[in-house]
Amino acid sequence: QKEVEQDPGPLSVPEGAIVSLNCTYSNSAFQYFMWYRQYSRKGPELLMYTYSSGNKEDGRFTAQVDKSSKYISLFIRDSQPSDSATYLCAGAFPFTGNQFYFGTGTSLTVIP
Amino acid sequence: DTGVSQDPRHKITKRGQNVTFRCDPISEHNRLYWYRQTLGQGPEFLTYFQNEAQLEKSRLLSDRFSAERPKGSFSTLEIQRTEQGDSAMYLCASLAENEQFFGPGTRLTVL
Repeated sequence: QKEVEQDPGPLSVPEGAIVSLNCTYSNSAFQYFMWYRQYSRKGPELLMYTYSSGNKEDGRFTAQVDKSSKYISLFIRDSQPSDSATYLCAGAFPFTGNQFYFGTGTSLTVIP
Repeated sequence: DTGVSQDPRHKITKRGQNVTFRCDPISEHNRLYWYRQTLGQGPEFLTYFQNEAQLEKSRLLSDRFSAERPKGSFSTLEIQRTEQGDSAMYLCASLAENEQFFGPGTRLTVL
C-alpha cells in the first residue's frame, strides 16, 4: 500500500465549477500536508501547505485535512481554464528534513 | 530568478553513457532533495542533503546513482551506465519551514 493514495482521474469540469480533489494517507504520523500543481512537463508548484487537521484558505483554493479519517482535500472555487493541470497531494512527518510522500496526481481539465 | 534552478532541462543519451545533472537551490535553504518522476506518477524520493551532508538515500538509488553537494550549495546527481529504465524527470527541491519548492526538472531520455 502506498503511503498516499490519489485518484488519477482524469477529471473534467466546466469553467466556474467547484472542484474537489481528494487523497487518503495511511501513516497516522503524518502532520504536514501539501498540495502541488504541476503543468505538463514542468516541475510541481506549491499551492497550499497545512499542518495537522483543519482548513486553510488562499484565494480560490481551500485545503482541508481530516486526521481522524486520514483524508485530505483541495477545493477550487470558480475554476478557470488556467487551473487545468495535474494536482499532487503529499504528506510528511512532524520534523523537518525528511522526505515527502506524494500521491500519483489527479489530472484536471477545466473546459471554457 | 530566485527559485530552484536545474540544468540541463533536457538530456538525451544512449544506454551505457554517464550523465550528470545540476541543481541550484534557493540560496538560504540548507535542505536539498532529489526526486524522480515517471509519467502518470508522483515524485519519488531519491535522496536528501542537509548542507553538505547526505542524510538519507532511497532504495531506488542504486549503485549507479551518486549525488553530491560539496559546499552545501549546488548539488549534482550522476547516473552511470544509464539504462532505458532511467528515463524519467529528475526533480530537485529545496526546503524552508516545511515548504518544499521544486525546480523545473531535468527530463532524461535514454535511447
